[in-house]
Amino acid sequence: DADVTQTPRNRITKTGKRIMLECSQTKGHDRMYWYRQDPGLGLRLIYYSFDVKDINKGEISDGYSVSRQAQAKFSLSLESAIPNQTALYFCATSEDELEPQHFGDGTRLSIL
Amino acid sequence: EDKVVQSPLSLVVHEGDTVTLNCSYEVTNFRSLLWYKQEKKAPTFLFMLTSSGIEKKSGRLSSILDKKELFSILNITATQTGDSAVYLCACRKTSYDKVIFGPGTSLSVIP
Repeated sequence: DADVTQTPRNRITKTGKRIMLECSQTKGHDRMYWYRQDPGLGLRLIYYSFDVKDINKGEISDGYSVSRQAQAKFSLSLESAIPNQTALYFCATSEDELEPQHFGDGTRLSIL
Repeated sequence: EDKVVQSPLSLVVHEGDTVTLNCSYEVTNFRSLLWYKQEKKAPTFLFMLTSSGIEKKSGRLSSILDKKELFSILNITATQTGDSAVYLCACRKTSYDKVIFGPGTSLSVIP
């Protein structure tokens, strides 16, 4: 079983819809991250969380919100999806700042 | 503004060739530089570099960091088709544990 699980794996939806992407982990890490990946732009940080009570904006947080329901769960929401949010979304975890991040398999989101 | 630049952006080589991928950075509060390999799914961790001049090796892959000139290279010797992937370079900051990714180098190894 994967250590970092993202659901759904693929999603197609319409402009204006509310979308939630889920991430759960079995690694016991406190730190969790959400990234989006666009062709030619690499991964860009949306939000990150150091523990359940500590949530921080990344470089591109506008149009997104997050919820850290438990140490193992970190969800990303698009309140009113727009087409330029079409991208590949990754969740990642990390034990601390000295250890590398571990990524889920991604959610491919298409907004029509 | 923090920036991580990779070159080339794409590369096609034949099996057996040796390749060098480049990563340069301008990042404040730099902590470490990481290399990841991304095939169809999740990026997988290759190396983390924190000190200048110390080469890290794993099989046919090796990497080194130059903190004075602000760059790193990833070498792959005797390339195989299984090395075909996007190679991501990322810099981790000391402040708020942010990680800045470069755009990636897409490597294709043809038989």
